[in-house]
Amino acid sequence: AQSVAQPEDQVNVAEGNPLTVKCTYSVSGNPYLFWYVQYPNRGLQFLLKYITGDNLVKGSYGFEAEFNKSQTSFHLKKPSALVSDSALYFCAVRDGDSSYKLIFGSGTRLLVRP
Amino acid sequence: GAVVSQHPSWVICKSGTSVKIECRSLDFQATTMFWYRQFPKQSLMLMATSNEGSKATYEQGVEKDKFLINHASLTLSTLTVTSAHPEDSSFYICSAQLAGDAYEQYFGPGTRLTVT
Repeated sequence: AQSVAQPEDQVNVAEGNPLTVKCTYSVSGNPYLFWYVQYPNRGLQFLLKYITGDNLVKGSYGFEAEFNKSQTSFHLKKPSALVSDSALYFCAVRDGDSSYKLIFGSGTRLLVRP
Repeated sequence: GAVVSQHPSWVICKSGTSVKIECRSLDFQATTMFWYRQFPKQSLMLMATSNEGSKATYEQGVEKDKFLINHASLTLSTLTVTSAHPEDSSFYICSAQLAGDAYEQYFGPGTRLTVT
């Protein structure tokens, strides 16, 4: 069965510092991996995805993520955090072409302090 | 492009009444739409997968008679919460899969339902 783990409920970082939000996954086939951001009382905004190819994926708003097959991880990163990055971040996985279903992690709240 | 809207954005209803939530893909055709439910400070839980012109596929534990889903066209899916109870209060989010795009789901802004 597919599963996603986001081990940190909250990540705190100072503005201007690099940030990392962790995600590990489990699927039986080839993983399709996604990161979304959610602001209060809003739907999800797509940040980036990994389907195949280069392990380093660049996305919206300066975010990037690295696919690591051996560690089954897809951590979200940004070199320099902004206060406006403060939001709820979700990692999601789909089991390749065998399913359209997205399974979401529990979410990580990112708090960037000025 | 790839905008998904939901209506209403929030609704308050009395216990025992029914509420309909609309999900529209504004600038693309969506053969598949998904309905999620999100409790406060929790993740999204898939409720059902809706394919245009066919019956929805419900996830285990979701009552199909309570959460009626209709996907009548390539741009519209509706979720009707029948005989609503306070425990149905939640944030409901839909997403749409672009026809021909196997990878990405585009999410609506969500509908907050409060049952009193």
